[in-house]
Parts: sequence; structure tokens; C-alpha cells
Amino acid sequence: DAKTTQPPSMDCAEGRAANLPCNHSTISGNEYVYWYRQIHSQGPQYIIHGLKNNETNEMASLIITEDRKSSTLILPHATLRDTAVYYCIVRSAGGTSYGKLTFGQGTILTVHP
Amino acid sequence: DVKVTQSSRYLVKRTGEKVFLECVQDMDHENMFWYRQDPGLGLRLIYFSYDVKMKEKGDIPEGYSVSREKKERFSLILESASTNQTSMYLCASSSGYGTGVINGYTFGSGTRLTVV
Repeated sequence: DAKTTQPPSMDCAEGRAANLPCNHSTISGNEYVYWYRQIHSQGPQYIIHGLKNNETNEMASLIITEDRKSSTLILPHATLRDTAVYYCIVRSAGGTSYGKLTFGQGTILTVHP
Repeated sequence: DVKVTQSSRYLVKRTGEKVFLECVQDMDHENMFWYRQDPGLGLRLIYFSYDVKMKEKGDIPEGYSVSREKKERFSLILESASTNQTSMYLCASSSGYGTGVINGYTFGSGTRLTVV
């Protein structure tokens, strides 16, 4: 699975959009981009995933560049409860990987009042 | 609506004890996983299972074993607990295999194990 690079930390004001970047320059054609977050003392929570097209759900939007070498997770109106570690993961949906995910260090997002 | 349940939130065990961490999911998922999480090291995969009685080593299997006798239950076993196994242990499950889209993991709340 391709490696990902994320900034170690980011800040955001409450009510503003939080834009979390992720670089995955070695991504291959059949690899998906997944985003998870982990709030302190809880297990990670699935947010969203995508392959080529931009995706949106009730939690967030995922913007993937045309060359697929980077992506941005957007939390449109960040709240204090969005303070968490955000993980960007790239993995293949094929082969015999059995859904295994490799977590990096992630980005610590702090939302300020 | 809890979907992945880990038997204990906090656990304290003595060095040399045999420790069982239990995980149960009610989503009929094929895949189940055990991770440990340590400060500065992130989440590391210990073992996973893609079917009943099947298991695969993850990145750090040494000192651990697993058991999956039923689809919904995946147990992590520390044969002889040591202090360097003090950690947060997280269980997860997911559906899908091979060429299908792997849907998101669902994680349990974690078990914080302290070995003294």
C-alpha cells in the first residue's frame, strides 16, 4: 500500500472549515484513500473513503486531485468535538489484503472556540 | 448501538500471567483485527483473521496468539504477559474481501492493559 504524508498538527476555529491535507504521491490505480479519526481514549472512527471522484457524506467531504497524488478532507463547520487525530490511509481493494489497514501518525486537529 | 464490544475497558495483570482479551462483533463481518496503540508509535497490527479458524500475522505478532472459533468472536492471547505489552489494545472488524471495496473498519472502544 502507498505511503501517506500528513502534517503532524493543525488548528482550526470553531465554525470554520477544517481542511486536512494528505499526500500519497505513489498511489496506484486500484488504491483507495480512506480517512479515519480518533478522539481521545476512543477507537478510531471511519469517516469517508474514495477512489477518484470527490465524495461527500454527513460527516465530511473528500477531495482527490485529478492525478490522485493528494487529497483533502474537509470538515465544513468544525466543532470542538471534531478535535481528534485524523488518519489518511491508502490501500488496495484487490488481492488478498483482507481489508488490512496500516495507520500512520496522522494529523492532530485542534478546534479552538 | 454498540457493534464491536471489547470485554474490558481497563485490565491490570501480573508479569507472566496468561491474558485473554475478547472482542465480539454483531455485524456478521468476515474480517477481524487486533491492534495495539502506543504513544509515538501509532496503531500497529498484531494479528488479523479473515474467516473462522483462519489467522494471519500482522506487523508485531511476537508474544501474542489469537483464536477465532466463531465468526463473531476474536480473542487475543498474551501467553506470558510482560511489562512491554502494557498498551491500549483495539479490536476492529470489516466486511469485504479481495476485489470488492473494503468498507470502513468498525473499532471497539479499546482495552487499556497494564502489566505490572
